Order: sequence, then C-alpha cells, then structure tokens
Amino acid sequence: AQSVTQLGSHVSVSEGALVLLRCNYSSSVPPYLFWYVQYPNQGLQLLLKYTSAATLVKGINGFEAEFKKSETSFHLTKPSAHMSDAAEYFCAVSWLVGATNKLIFGTGTLLAVQP
Amino acid sequence: DTAVSQTPKYLVTQMGNDKSIKCEQNLGHDTMYWYKQDSKKFLKIMFSYNNKELIINETVPNRFSPKSPDKAHLNLHINSLELGDSAVYFCASSQDRVSVSEQYFGPGTRLTVT
Repeated sequence: AQSVTQLGSHVSVSEGALVLLRCNYSSSVPPYLFWYVQYPNQGLQLLLKYTSAATLVKGINGFEAEFKKSETSFHLTKPSAHMSDAAEYFCAVSWLVGATNKLIFGTGTLLAVQP
Repeated sequence: DTAVSQTPKYLVTQMGNDKSIKCEQNLGHDTMYWYKQDSKKFLKIMFSYNNKELIINETVPNRFSPKSPDKAHLNLHINSLELGDSAVYFCASSQDRVSVSEQYFGPGTRLTVT
C-alpha cells in the first residue's frame, strides 16, 4: 500500500534561514505527490504537486520540492523562511484505487519561524 | 466567493446527540470528500462521493452517514455522538475521481463532544 512518512513533527528555523521539510513515500507504482499547507484554524491549501513531469516542482510562496525516485523522497524547501510561513505542512501521495484517486496524508510537520 | 464552504464552523454538543455538518462547493467539481483530523492533526479520509454516488467508504462507524443531494453538496450526519468523535472535519472537492487533480478543502468544522 502507498504511504508517506514525514520526518520531524516539529521544525524550527530562524527568519531568513533555509526551510527543509522531509517526506518519504512508499509506492509500488509511480506516485503522484503533493504538499499542502494548513495555517492555524484554516483548511488545507495546495503548495505544489508532482505528477510525473519535471522532477523539480515549484509551488506558491517560494516553495519547491524535488522528486527523487532513487531516494523515494519528495522534500519541501524554501531558501529563506518568512514569519508568515509558520504553519503545519502535510505531504500526501495519491494513487488509483479501482477507478478512484485516493489521497493519503503524512502526519504533518509543524514549522515554527523564529524572529 | 468561497470555493468550498462548510457550516457550522464550530459545533459543541453533548454525547448521544445527533448533528449534521453541511458542505457546498461552487467549483463545478464532480467529486467531494469528508476527512477527519484528530487532535494530533492526522488527516484521514472518511467518505468520497462522485456525482452523488458513494465511491469511498473507509472503516467509519455506521453512526456516520454522508448524503449528497446533488454534486455540489455533501453533508455529514452523525448519530449518537461519542467523545471520540471530537475532531475537525474537513470537506474537500476535486475535479473528478480519476484525474490527479488537487483537492480543494473547506475551512473545517470543529466538533466538540462533551
């Protein structure tokens, strides 16, 4: 079965520092991968998605992620953290179950940005 | 205009009561979902409907009953509420059931059972 593992439930960085949020997936077929962000008391918003095109995917708010098949990873990065990036980040994998795409989420990483 | 809306945003009720959460999407999507987010922020799919047809039904107690009167609406009714039902419930929609399109999430309904 497909699954995702997010290493580090809490990550703290200083404003202006590199953000690196880790996601590893397990999939028996080529996966479709997503990163979602959840700001406090809000729903989830898509940051970016990988659907087997370019391995380096650029998303909103300066985030990007690189699909590495050899490492089964899809880590999320941002060169310079901003205070407004403080939120919960979820990696997710999607695959076809029968005739339906199913989205499975990781356990989330809470990003704190220190001034 | 809000793409996916849910009502109510907060719901506080006592054990044993029956309650409903409503969801509407104005994106013209065919597929809608209900997710449960527990206190540890873990998100798990509960149900999915495609054009009013139930297509995903995870191992959810049968006290939970989704209803889709049309493809723009997906409601969740919960009977005999229990303490463990306390969570944030998210509605989401996607273009269709097959293409790998993103899911659009509503703002969530925080259910507290006392």
